[in-house]
Amino acid sequence: AQKVTQAQTEISVVEKEDVTLDCVYETRDTTYYLFWYKQPPSGELVFLIRRNSFDEQNEISGRYSWNFQKSTSSFNFTITASQVVDSAVYFCALSEGGGYDSNYQLIWGAGTKLIIKP
Amino acid sequence: GAVVSQHPSRVICKSGTSVKIECRSLDFQATTMFWYRQFPKQSLMLMATSNEGSKATYEQGVEKDKFLINHASLTLSTLTVTSAHPEDSSFYICSARVAPSSYEQYFGPGTRLTVT
Repeated sequence: AQKVTQAQTEISVVEKEDVTLDCVYETRDTTYYLFWYKQPPSGELVFLIRRNSFDEQNEISGRYSWNFQKSTSSFNFTITASQVVDSAVYFCALSEGGGYDSNYQLIWGAGTKLIIKP
Repeated sequence: GAVVSQHPSRVICKSGTSVKIECRSLDFQATTMFWYRQFPKQSLMLMATSNEGSKATYEQGVEKDKFLINHASLTLSTLTVTSAHPEDSSFYICSARVAPSSYEQYFGPGTRLTVT
């Protein structure tokens, strides 16, 4: 069965600290996609990254970086030099690849609330 | 590109009334739209999947007679909460998929429903 686990319910750090949000997933498919979304207090989901199962390269985008490790079924997200504006709830999600008729439904983690204190 | 809008962004209604929420894909045609609800401090819960021109597929535990979904065109899906009750108060989010074989979902900004 497919599942996404974000064990950290809430993380609080002081501004400029680095912080890593963990995501562990379960799937039997060999083709799948992993996502991270940010949900600020306004509620609107902000897409951060998508990674397919065949691409294990880590990615860096500014202060954000992602570490995808199939061996441990993890897709962790690190914010370097955190800022107050990074405060939000972050969701990790999994979509299993399928045939033409697949709906590619997203399986969501519970989310991690990140609080950056000034 | 790939913008999804929702209307209204916030709605307050009285118990027993019905509320319609619109989800529109503004610059693309969406063959599939998804409806989610999110309770405070919780994750998104998929309510239903709708494909244009066909009946929606509801997730287990979601009452299809209470949450009516219509996906009459490739750019519009509506969710009607019938005979709303306070426990229906939630944040409703829609998303749209561009093509049958696409894994990309584009999310609307959400609608906050409060039933008094």
